[in-house]
Amino acid sequence: SAVISQKPSRDICQRGTSLTIQCQVDSQVTMMFWYRQQPGQSLTLIATANQGSEATYESGFVIDKFPISRPNLTFSTLTVSNMSPEDSSIYLCSVSGRVSDTQYFGPGTRLTVL
Amino acid sequence: KQEVTQIPAALSVPEGENLVLNCSFTDSAIYNLQWFRQDPGKGLTSLLLIQSSQREQTSGRLNASLDKSSGRSTLYIAASQPGDSATYLCAVRHFQGGSEKLVFGKGTKLTVNP
Repeated sequence: SAVISQKPSRDICQRGTSLTIQCQVDSQVTMMFWYRQQPGQSLTLIATANQGSEATYESGFVIDKFPISRPNLTFSTLTVSNMSPEDSSIYLCSVSGRVSDTQYFGPGTRLTVL
Repeated sequence: KQEVTQIPAALSVPEGENLVLNCSFTDSAIYNLQWFRQDPGKGLTSLLLIQSSQREQTSGRLNASLDKSSGRSTLYIAASQPGDSATYLCAVRHFQGGSEKLVFGKGTKLTVNP
């Protein structure tokens, strides 16, 4: 299993600012993902964080709004840029080894944008 | 496009009752299916992982089944307890858009009353 930590656990931000969320895993993992969970909704995949190359974004998500870094196999960051109240969500980091493996999730970052 | 549906959206039962949560998916070409538990405001805890070649998995009071050909899975919880109260999410892992992804249902909110 993988133990995942995220920082910050929660934040309240002003409209127009940016927030960077950090994800740290206790072991090297092949795949890292970022998800968003809007209030009362299920999880939506934002992007796959690729080590050493640009992230792969899902339809509806763009790099300018959600830049992602993954400098090594245990760490990734997600930035939510130029925030609006619609960005208020829980942001979750997730990791997996092989496709057949269990996918694990971090505790999430609860973001409120005023 | 893969779609995952969970029925019912909410369920309330008295303590001690056995219960079944349902999950269906539209594309049977999946790698595996995973059941998660999410407590309010928290991240996801993996409960059971069923590979596409498997029919069921068990962990304690939990039993998950998979019928890939019909696109269905069930999560059976025996002798429910108040501590089982949470939202249960079903997710399938499949190949889409050039990479493998986890697609989630909207969840079933379970309340077990003492």
